[in-house]
Amino acid sequence: NAGVTQTPKFQVLKTGQSMTLQCAQDMNHNSMYWYRQDPGMGLRLIYYSASEGTTDKGEVPNGYNVSRLNKREFSLRLESAAPSQTSVYFCASSKGSEGLDEQFFGPGTRLTVL
Amino acid sequence: LAKTTQPISMDSYEGQEVNITCSHNNIATNDYITWYQQFPSQGPRFIIQGYKTKVTNEVASLFIPADRKSSTLSLPRVSLSDTAVYYCLVGSKAAGNKLTFGGGTRVLVKP
Repeated sequence: NAGVTQTPKFQVLKTGQSMTLQCAQDMNHNSMYWYRQDPGMGLRLIYYSASEGTTDKGEVPNGYNVSRLNKREFSLRLESAAPSQTSVYFCASSKGSEGLDEQFFGPGTRLTVL
Repeated sequence: LAKTTQPISMDSYEGQEVNITCSHNNIATNDYITWYQQFPSQGPRFIIQGYKTKVTNEVASLFIPADRKSSTLSLPRVSLSDTAVYYCLVGSKAAGNKLTFGGGTRVLVKP
């Protein structure tokens, strides 16, 4: 099993450009999450999806949109990138639909917005 | 969500036991305590979870006193590969999926 995979691994954008970060899991998990981690900081939840077809806002949703395409895939879109969105983005998944379940994280996407 | 306080950093030596204490004074009755480990350039990894008293697995032990206002993660006989950031999280099923990762404790294991 590959676990949680993310693409791309690195990305450089100019201010105002858009892009979609892709995430997929092969563990048949119900819940999926998107976090961002700024240098030297902890993770902050952007959006999460407790089940296929549902999404909810986390702590820092502004400037982002998400799509739970199917049970395996959860994408994060930046419509108009800003320098403040420079960060490392982590996708995660968990078996259940509750936050206490063990979360499995992907390797992250390093995004720089110039 | 309960606020947690952890030391910013700790140094240790190979073979020693490392104890990281997390304060969570406003923990609620239904809250559980969960610890994650994060290596540089990787996503966090679940270590252990508990509600009260003591929980042990093959990696660590978690000690929770009766008042549950703090908890201690114990890593026995650390090695250089245990150098990482350790996060203490407190949350309940009622809080849904909104886990909050604080700043964590940066543990440096020296030879």
